Amino acid sequence: DAKTTQPTSMDCAEGRAANLPCNHSTISGNEYVYWYRQIHSQGPQYIIHGLKNNETNEMASLIITEDRKSSTLILPHATLRDTAVYYCIVRVAGTDFGNEKLTFGTGTRLTIIP
Amino acid sequence: DAGVIQSPRHEVTEMGQEVTLRCKPISGHDYLFWYRQTMMRGLELLIYFNNNVPIDDSGMPEDRFSAKMPNASFSTLKIQPSEPRDSAVYFCASKGSEPRRAFFGQGTRLTVV
Repeated sequence: DAKTTQPTSMDCAEGRAANLPCNHSTISGNEYVYWYRQIHSQGPQYIIHGLKNNETNEMASLIITEDRKSSTLILPHATLRDTAVYYCIVRVAGTDFGNEKLTFGTGTRLTIIP
Repeated sequence: DAGVIQSPRHEVTEMGQEVTLRCKPISGHDYLFWYRQTMMRGLELLIYFNNNVPIDDSGMPEDRFSAKMPNASFSTLKIQPSEPRDSAVYFCASKGSEPRRAFFGQGTRLTVV
C-alpha cells in the first residue's frame, strides 16, 4: 500500500471548516483513499473513502486532486466533538486475500478551538 | 446492532499470567481484525481472519501471542505468558461485504505489572 504523509497537528475554530491534507504521491491506479478518525480512548471510526471522484457523506467531503497524489478531508462545520486524530490510509480495495487490511500511520491530531 | 463488542474493557494482570481478550464481531461480517495501540508504535495490525480462517498473522509479535476464531461470532486473542511490554489498548474490528468499511470495538486496555 502507498505511504501517506499528513501534518502532525492542526487547529480549527469551532464552526469553521476543517481542511485536513494528505499526500500520497506513490498511489497506484487501483488504490483508494480512506479516512478514519479516533476520538480519545475510542476505537477508530470510518469517515469516508474515494478512488478519484470527490465524495461527500453526512460526516465530511473528500477532495482528491486530478493526479490523485493528494487529497483533502473537509469537515464543513467543525464542532468540539470533532477533536480527534485523523488517519489518511491508501489501500487496494477488493476481495482478494491480503488486500483487506488497513495500515494506520501517525495521523493528524485535529483540535477544535471554542 | 450493538457493534463490535470487546471484553473485558480493562484488564490488569501480573507478569507471567495468561491473558485472554475477547471479541464479538458484527453479525454477518466476514472479516475480523486484531490491532494493538501504544504511544510508541501507534496502531498496529496483529492478525486478521476471513470467514474464521487466519489470513495474515505477520503482525503477531511473537509466539506468546495467539488468536483464534472458532466461529463467526467470536474471537480470542491470548497472551501467554504476559509481559509488561504487552501493556497496550487492543482493538478488534470487523468488516462485511457491504459497506466495505471496518467497524472497531471500544478496545481492551491491558496493563501488565
